[in-house]
Amino acid sequence: SAVISQKPSRDICQRGTSLTIQCQVDSQVTMMFWYRQQPGQSLTLIATANQGSEATYESGFVIDKFPISRPNLTFSTLTVSNMSPEDSSIYLCSVSRGVNQPQHFGDGTRLSIL
Amino acid sequence: GQQVMQIPQYQHVQEGEDFTTYCNSSTTLSNIQWYKQRPGGHPVFLIQLVKSGEVKKQKRLTFQFGEAKKNSSLHITATQTTDVGTYFCAGLGDYGQNFVFGPGTRLSVLP
Repeated sequence: SAVISQKPSRDICQRGTSLTIQCQVDSQVTMMFWYRQQPGQSLTLIATANQGSEATYESGFVIDKFPISRPNLTFSTLTVSNMSPEDSSIYLCSVSRGVNQPQHFGDGTRLSIL
Repeated sequence: GQQVMQIPQYQHVQEGEDFTTYCNSSTTLSNIQWYKQRPGGHPVFLIQLVKSGEVKKQKRLTFQFGEAKKNSSLHITATQTTDVGTYFCAGLGDYGQNFVFGPGTRLSVLP
């Protein structure tokens, strides 16, 4: 399976600032996703990162708050903008080779906002 | 929209006992996946089921997809402490574009 590198692994940020999370894959993949996971909770899909075009956001998530880039088939970034304490969570990227294929997850970014 | 539910939410078992978690969808699924997340870790893919009534086994783990393709189960025989973690099912609806994850079942195994 693909090797996924996600950075940073954790960060503590001030309210009102923005943080960009990077996801690098060691091989080309068709699909890349960004999830949010509150401690002890399930995974909530934020958006699907589309190569060369705007991401597809799920209900409740907007581009202004979570801008996403995917310049090629091996790399994507998620920015959490104008952060508030409610944004404290674990953010995970995942990749798959197709809609019906298994997803492989990065180690996640544990984000705390003061 | 599609909803995926899992029961139980938590399960505590003595090492050696069996364990089962159940996954139910509000809509028919084209396929279902199971993931395991260890404490402090990320979800790891276990298996995918596609056919109605399908049963797959991985050593002590048995996965089943319901005949109506709206439910699934994961059964672990003779649990070990290495089985500790949260087990998530994720379902893809017939007309869905993305998998929807269930809330998970957290398994604790007492030695």
